[in-house]
Parts: sequence; C-alpha cells; structure tokens
Amino acid sequence: EPEVTQTPSHQVTQMGQEVILRCVPISNHLYFYWYRQILGQKVEFLVSFYNNEISEKSEIFDDQFSVERPDGSNFTLKIRSTKLEDSAMYFCAGTVDSDTEAFFGQGTRLTVV
Amino acid sequence: KQEVTQIPAALSVPEGENLVLNCSFTDSAIYNLQWFRQDPGKGLTSLLLIQSSQREQTSGRLNASLDKSSGRSTLYIAASQPGDSATYLCAIPLSGGYNKLIFGAGTRLAVHP
Repeated sequence: EPEVTQTPSHQVTQMGQEVILRCVPISNHLYFYWYRQILGQKVEFLVSFYNNEISEKSEIFDDQFSVERPDGSNFTLKIRSTKLEDSAMYFCAGTVDSDTEAFFGQGTRLTVV
Repeated sequence: KQEVTQIPAALSVPEGENLVLNCSFTDSAIYNLQWFRQDPGKGLTSLLLIQSSQREQTSGRLNASLDKSSGRSTLYIAASQPGDSATYLCAIPLSGGYNKLIFGAGTRLAVHP
C-alpha cells in the first residue's frame, strides 16, 4: 500500500541552525501539508501546498519557515533558524483532492537544543 | 471558529469490551470528518473518513457515525483487543480551507488482557 515517507525520523539540532525535513508523498496526491505536534499538545496545521505554491498557512508559519517541492517528488519543510520552541513532531500529509482523505507520514521528531 | 473536542481524554478497558469514543465540533457546516489512530511517538494512521452526506462508515471492527445537526461523531470499536491501544484522534477540515484539518486532543485508549 502506498505510504508517505518522511526523513529523518529524528533530528537533533542546535538553536539557530537551519534544518530541512523531507517528505516523499504518495504519487497521485496533488495537495501537500505540514503539521506539527508539540509533545502533549494537539496536532496543528502549518501550511498547505498545491500547484507549486502555498495555498494557506497558519500564524505559526512565519518567515523562518519555507516549503518547496523542488523535483516533483520530494516535499520539504525548511526552518531557517531553529528555536527551542520549534521542538516538536512534524508530519507531512497529502490528499488527492482538497476535501479527500488525508494520509500522513510517520513524522520527524525535531529536537532543538 | 471550529473547535473539536474529544471525550473521554483517556479510557482503560479489559479486552473484549465494545467501546464508544466521542468527538464533538462547534460548526456543523463540515465537508467530512476523519478518524485517526496514533501510536506513541508515531505518525497518524487514517482509520475512517466519513463524508458530510453519510451517517455511518465501517471498516472491520470500527464504525464511525456522524450527526452534523448535533455536531457529534462517534467511533465504535467492537470486541476491543490489546492491539487497539493507542490514541484516537478526530479531525475536521476547516470550511473552505484546502483540507486544513482541525484536530481534537484525542482519546488515549488502553486495552488490557
């Protein structure tokens, strides 16, 4: 069964460093998303991406964050200068259409020290 | 503003019991509602998607119902097993929001032998 693949599974980085989280979505998905879950809290939306551009972003998704799909397969989330409060589980997701079933990856646990 | 609430927050039951997990939402103008399973430190596995035009959706021992008028969905798990132990999340796309999902805090289920 097709699945969303995220790498790495765990990343530890020093405060102020840049990190790139990578995702390979399911091949027939057209809409892509990043969510995050701070330990013990709800899963929260960061950004949606369609047709090679951001379609919506949350208040969390400030100038330190960016997304791109450089080669038509990988979908990346970059955090330019990490803060301690960026420590969380980051999930990539995809859907075929804007209102269809969402499929999530296994997540990348980001720890900022 | 759509808010999603799940009750109970935690549940511990002996193996074999039939369970009902509850999800309530404040804005009844929804496209669909999706139930997920999350194992500790892992990703989100889609269990069921129930469209706004449906009242029920079934998959194996799982049955999800939706009552838009009362702003409620239930996930029924029949004949629970220890392998069902996980956190169950419900999520609703924000109206007009490119499948921007709003999540509940989840119900943490423990099924003991």
